[in-house]
Amino acid sequence: RKEVEQDPGPFNVPEGATVAFNCTYSNSASQSFFWYRQDCRKEPKLLMSVYSSGNEDGRFTAQLNRASQYISLLIRDSKLSDSATYLCVVNPAGNQFYFGTGTSLTVIP
Amino acid sequence: NAGVTQTPKFRVLKTGQSMTLLCAQDMNHEYMYWYRQDPGMGLRLIHYSVGEGTTAKGEVPDGYNVSRLKKQNFLLGLESAAPSQTSVYFCASRRYGLTGGVSGGFFGPGTRLTVL
Repeated sequence: RKEVEQDPGPFNVPEGATVAFNCTYSNSASQSFFWYRQDCRKEPKLLMSVYSSGNEDGRFTAQLNRASQYISLLIRDSKLSDSATYLCVVNPAGNQFYFGTGTSLTVIP
Repeated sequence: NAGVTQTPKFRVLKTGQSMTLLCAQDMNHEYMYWYRQDPGMGLRLIHYSVGEGTTAKGEVPDGYNVSRLKKQNFLLGLESAAPSQTSVYFCASRRYGLTGGVSGGFFGPGTRLTVL
């Protein structure tokens, strides 16, 4: 079983829409969670960490559900510039991080 | 600050050739990582290092070797390249810290390697 699983999409949404991505993880002892953004042919960049109480950064909201072992990312009022692949990342313990395969988002004018 | 840099950006090898990929970071980070990214597979950890002079195997270490002689540099070597090693290679670094609030790392721009 994979450590981290994501719906690959693609998600095609109109500008201004709200879109949500989920990511499930297999190790219940996982301690750290993150969302990264990766533009085409570029390196992944940290979008936000995911805290147990949930956290918000502008139009982006990240949530953690430990009971069901998933994390989510909600994007409100989508912009054309939000088009990218979103990777969820889980740190089960120690020094290794596991990346999901990514969810592709295209925001349509 | 340059952040994380990788050399070279592109390379084409023939089967059996060897090469070394260089990763350098100027953030004084303790941890450094080498990943490969393949379509549909996501990022997979090859090797990592928690400090100068130390290395450890990740998820897919076979066919690769690494060295961390200086804190700011992490080298990835392919001794005898195979077509299965065609991929995009990313280096990442992060600071030491407790798990909470520590990111998965800052990434370099990647090296696109093709093995014919």
